[in-house]
Amino acid sequence: QSVLTQPPSVSGAPGQRVTISCTGSSSNIGAGYDVHWYQQLPGTAPKLLIYGNSNRPSGVPDRFSGSKSGTSASLAISGLQAEDEADYYCQSYDSSLSGVFGGGTKLTVL
Amino acid sequence: QLQLQESGPGLVKPSETLSLTCTVSGGSISSSSYYWGWIRQPPGKGLEWIGSIYYSGSTYYNPSLKSRVTISVDTSKNQFSLKLSSVTAADTAVYYCARRRTSSGWNYWGQGTLVTVSS
Repeated sequence: QSVLTQPPSVSGAPGQRVTISCTGSSSNIGAGYDVHWYQQLPGTAPKLLIYGNSNRPSGVPDRFSGSKSGTSASLAISGLQAEDEADYYCQSYDSSLSGVFGGGTKLTVL
Repeated sequence: QLQLQESGPGLVKPSETLSLTCTVSGGSISSSSYYWGWIRQPPGKGLEWIGSIYYSGSTYYNPSLKSRVTISVDTSKNQFSLKLSSVTAADTAVYYCARRRTSSGWNYWGQGTLVTVSS
């Protein structure tokens, strides 16, 4: 069982907006640690999508956005495209400065 | 452009020690403000953080693996390594090495290497 909780799957039609939640606790997200998001296409290494809760690395489309509130964080994808179909993971830290990941969410573009 | 490449045996026997090396090119492993880490992914499952080492030498380990893990750096070879002792089938996974800056996520990853634990 992962320290951070994500829905196993979400889906949406092209052009729609979807959100993926990431729920932690007072010992990780709620303690003020940043949340980062990764996209993993089949058979490839994860790619950093959002860092520091809401910042996009260079090259990541502004269709992707992140937010954090309390003990939770969210990743929003607007204008859904077929190429967005992938697994998405949230990541933060706990009080021992250990990294913690969510269990991952599979996004299906209908 | 920074590149990371994992290397090591693809098959390890139960109870033995898994040893992997990550070779860094296009940048110095001694650069300040960077963490170098290992993350693994069992087949069909999610990501698990194993541990990381700061450029200063400080190490941070997953509490569930801490008694079996050692991460070290060889600055002369621009490499860092992972040793995981007393492995079992549960340690079968794709192992990734990665780099991040302070206050950022892991933004550079190796391609990953599959390590199978089996007799």
